[in-house]
Amino acid sequence: DAKTTQPNSMESNEEEPVHLPCNHSTISGTDYIHWYRQLPSQGPEYVIHGLTSNVNNRMASLAIAEDRKSSTLILHRATLRDAAVYYCILSSLNTDKLIFGTGTRLQVFP
Amino acid sequence: GAGVSQTPSNKVTEKGKYVELRCDPISGHTALYWYRQSLGQGPEFLIYFQGTGAADDSGLPNDRFFAVRPEGSVSTLKIQRTERGDSAVYLCASSPAGGGWDGYTFGSGTRLTVV
Repeated sequence: DAKTTQPNSMESNEEEPVHLPCNHSTISGTDYIHWYRQLPSQGPEYVIHGLTSNVNNRMASLAIAEDRKSSTLILHRATLRDAAVYYCILSSLNTDKLIFGTGTRLQVFP
Repeated sequence: GAGVSQTPSNKVTEKGKYVELRCDPISGHTALYWYRQSLGQGPEFLIYFQGTGAADDSGLPNDRFFAVRPEGSVSTLKIQRTERGDSAVYLCASSPAGGGWDGYTFGSGTRLTVV
């Protein structure tokens, strides 16, 4: 499974946009890019996923580099409830399991 | 139910004992996954079911760990002769179909402590 690299931690102020980076230089052509987040004492929660084009949903936006070797999860206006560990995961079409790294711990300050 | 339910939420057991952890997936979800998470780490894959059969059990650490899903809905993770190193949060997830791109729904986990 292709590996991702994320910063260990990031900080943001409430109401500000947050850009969470992920490097995946060994991504294969069939790998989807998934983002999950995990709030304290809860299981991971699906955020967004994409293949090549940028994606938007009610929670976030996913910007994928043209060469697909990196991507950025964008939270448009951070709230205190967005404080969590964010995981960037690659999953190919022929496997069904997600391989989690250690993620980015996002702190949001009022 | 509305989400993935895991019971018990907490389990304390003595070293050497046998434990069972239960997962109730979202109704109609055919794919079910077990993960375990140690403190400060991301979830670690254990086993994946498609229907009643284990499609991938490559993450089970040894033969003390076993999981079943006899009717294609509820699953039970069984750990024999527990060791202190088995202490972790055990997470269950389900999805409408395999493939990884549908989005998995996780439960809140069972915190297992082996003393």
